[in-house]
Amino acid sequence: DTAVSQTPKYLVTQMGNDKSIKCEQNLGHDTMYWYKQDSKKFLKIMFSYNNKELIINETVPNRFSPKSPDKAHLNLHINSLELGDSAVYFCASSQDNPQEETQYFGPGTRLLVL
Amino acid sequence: QQQVKQSPQSLIVQKGGISIINCAYENTAFDYFPWYQQFPGKGPALLIAIRPDVSEKKEGRFTISFNKSAKQFSLHIMDSQPGDSATYFCAASEESGYSTLTFGKGTMLLVSP
Repeated sequence: DTAVSQTPKYLVTQMGNDKSIKCEQNLGHDTMYWYKQDSKKFLKIMFSYNNKELIINETVPNRFSPKSPDKAHLNLHINSLELGDSAVYFCASSQDNPQEETQYFGPGTRLLVL
Repeated sequence: QQQVKQSPQSLIVQKGGISIINCAYENTAFDYFPWYQQFPGKGPALLIAIRPDVSEKKEGRFTISFNKSAKQFSLHIMDSQPGDSATYFCAASEESGYSTLTFGKGTMLLVSP
């Protein structure tokens, strides 16, 4: 059973296009996240949602818009893709419990903008 | 501003040796310090975590040492194995409404046979 799944696994697209990445978790968690991992493997939080509500929005261009239709799903839509958006995007989830802060990561979506 | 500084950037250890990765932080509000392990092509996965109320936590071959006064913590991998070759990230989060992990920049560990 896959705990946190993402689709697609690979995404190759042209500059200026709009694309979406989907994330689903079957762990019953309340909180979901999007992270960006750059070519140097640095992991940076982008967004955090708790029970479908945006909690954290780091300094991310407005071209990135997360959407949470329910607490098991957190999708990421990117408008007007730029070369610098090329990275691996990870979705993660955790329980809203200070005693259990483990974040479970998906397998990642490798985005290449040409 | 890098809130969690991790070193070294890369590390080569012989099989059976001890791998040591260090992290330092500035934010005294941090109260949860996990280590994540990431294999190529995979997402990070929690390896071991510690809270400031203890100075050491051991799980199998993996040990976290925590020095609250120095604001430093480290991961020790005893009897390192080739299968331990991966990128290791330290992280930290605050005890506030919703935990957000701040990651170090990662250490690429290669354990040679």
